[in-house]
Amino acid sequence: SAVISQKPSRDICQRGTSLTIQCQVDSQVTMMFWYRQQPGQSLTLIATANQGSEATYESGFVIDKFPISRPNLTFSTLTVSNMSPEDSSIYLCSTAGSEETQYFGPGTRLLVL
Amino acid sequence: AQSVTQLGSHVSVSEGALVLLRCNYSSSVPPYLFWYVQYPNQGLQLLLKYTTGATLVKGINGFEAEFKKSETSFHLTKPSAHMSDAAEYFCAVSVKGTYKYIFGTGTRLKVLA
Repeated sequence: SAVISQKPSRDICQRGTSLTIQCQVDSQVTMMFWYRQQPGQSLTLIATANQGSEATYESGFVIDKFPISRPNLTFSTLTVSNMSPEDSSIYLCSTAGSEETQYFGPGTRLLVL
Repeated sequence: AQSVTQLGSHVSVSEGALVLLRCNYSSSVPPYLFWYVQYPNQGLQLLLKYTTGATLVKGINGFEAEFKKSETSFHLTKPSAHMSDAAEYFCAVSVKGTYKYIFGTGTRLKVLA
């Protein structure tokens, strides 16, 4: 399984600002995913990021709010733009392995004041 | 469309007792099923998965789960709970070829000394 790291591990931000979260994988992967886990809740898929193409967003998530980059097969970023307290969540990236298995990074814990 | 229901948002067991975490799914096509564990301040770790073949699957840390198509269930069990099992557990369903997970709402397991 791939080893995934995320930066930053946590952050406290002011409303109206933006934060870019980095996801680094130790091997080349085709598919990467970004999830949001709101306090006390389950994971919700934000978007799928494939290298060389635009990210595919799930219903309720838009590119202007959550722009994603996927410059190569080992790296992706998620930006949370114009943040509000409702954006306080854990953001996780994951990669796809065999048989639909996904491997997750440690998450970025974001608090927006 | 797929869905996952985890019965019991909180489960408490005594150390050494049987652990049973319930997961029921809904899928119009044969599903892939997963259990993940999330320890405090960490990402998700794959416990086990069912794709095809043997319906009783064994995972890490002594956990196992049985796919029961007639009951649309994929309950997670462990014969003897250990203090280190205290965590949040997520059941997820996917459809072959989509790589899209639908997560349950999670069950927080507490192990009592």
